[in-house]
Amino acid sequence: AQSVTQLGSHVSVSEGALVLLRCNYSSSVPPYLFWYVQYPNQGLQLLLKYTTGATLVKGINGFEAEFKKSETSFHLTKPSAHMSDAAEYFCAVSGYGNKLVFGAGTILRVKS
Amino acid sequence: GAVVSQHPSRVICKSGTSVKIECRSLDFQATTMFWYRQFPKQSLMLMATSNEGSKATYEQGVEKDKFLINHASLTLSTLTVTSAHPEDSSFYICSAVGLAGYTDTQYFGPGTRLTVL
Repeated sequence: AQSVTQLGSHVSVSEGALVLLRCNYSSSVPPYLFWYVQYPNQGLQLLLKYTTGATLVKGINGFEAEFKKSETSFHLTKPSAHMSDAAEYFCAVSGYGNKLVFGAGTILRVKS
Repeated sequence: GAVVSQHPSRVICKSGTSVKIECRSLDFQATTMFWYRQFPKQSLMLMATSNEGSKATYEQGVEKDKFLINHASLTLSTLTVTSAHPEDSSFYICSAVGLAGYTDTQYFGPGTRLTVL
């Protein structure tokens, strides 16, 4: 069985500050891990993914995430927040048959 | 690449009517499509998995006779909400997984907002 825990349902940062969204997972098999972003009334857009290989993954819009097996974590970071980053972010782990198990989501607010 | 579309983006219908939502993979062949439902301020709930040419697999608690899924081709899956009621009002999102180069990632459509009056 697989599960995802996103710590913090709401995160607020100032524009230009570091963004850190936390994700921990559990998986009985080597995980595929994903971060998706959702803007209001829209579908999900893939930010980045980890399948195999390099554990530091770079995605779109300046985001990156590091897979840490020992900590079962896949935290999402961005060095400098922009107003356009305000959205909801979902961490997900892929399981059997490509099924995704999603975290509850973290709403990111960016203050000017 | 990996673009998924949904139609319509928004639909309002009367209670008791049926509504069909289309999900298309525009630039790749989708061997598997997933249908999700999202309630306000909540995460996505997987409803069913559909593979081209075979019957959909529904998650526990999802009524297969109410939510009819057809995956007739490698680029199209449809979800029909039959005899819709106000409690079926929700945001429905599809995703697709494809062949060669698109096998390990779900690509999502923009969603369909269903409102049942």
